[in-house]
Amino acid sequence: GQQLNQSPQSMFIQEGEDVSMNCTSSSIFNTWLWYKQDPGEGPVLLIALYKAGELTSNGRLTAQFGITRKDSFLNISASIPSDVGIYFCAGSGGDYKLSFGAGTTVTVRA
Amino acid sequence: GAVVSQHPSRVICKSGTSVKIECRSLDFQATTMFWYRQFPKQSLMLMATSNEGSKATYEQGVEKDKFLINHASLTLSTLTVTSAHPEDSSFYICRGAGSSYNEQFFGPGTRLTVL
Repeated sequence: GQQLNQSPQSMFIQEGEDVSMNCTSSSIFNTWLWYKQDPGEGPVLLIALYKAGELTSNGRLTAQFGITRKDSFLNISASIPSDVGIYFCAGSGGDYKLSFGAGTTVTVRA
Repeated sequence: GAVVSQHPSRVICKSGTSVKIECRSLDFQATTMFWYRQFPKQSLMLMATSNEGSKATYEQGVEKDKFLINHASLTLSTLTVTSAHPEDSSFYICRGAGSSYNEQFFGPGTRLTVL
């Protein structure tokens, strides 16, 4: 599938900080999804977005489906140590086939 | 809740041997199964898509005779890496998809190391 442009590539968090990451695509998607992957495990779905403009929360996570249907962002509020991991955005045209971003690696700042 | 299991979680094999990876959906029927490969510090790359009872559709550049996929039932799909070589060493992950985006789950992955 087509690669999405995900940024930043990596970030350091301090407990309590709000962090944000985003994805853009040259193609329109019908669905945007955000996943978290811990080392040595498969990705776990965090949030799924189905409509342009949709803003959805899951606990301290908030994600939005861009109006143009070519972008999405994920915010994590009041980060905690267990938020470390790799976050992937994914877009789908409607056939459950996903195109993934390159991932954002979140690490705790020493 | 619904999960997808993969077996084995880790496998080490000698070059030239074949390795079979099983992916099972528990508590839901995976109409479609996707197989991915992930190299260290990289994203997931789709290898193939299979629907139950049909031949798999492979992505460009993925050799169908090397990566044999069988999706015999709505709860089981297998990926066989034939005549494995060191460059096939990777993390292989399946994803089962049911009837909605909320009914689709990744397996925990299989770490394949070919010596």
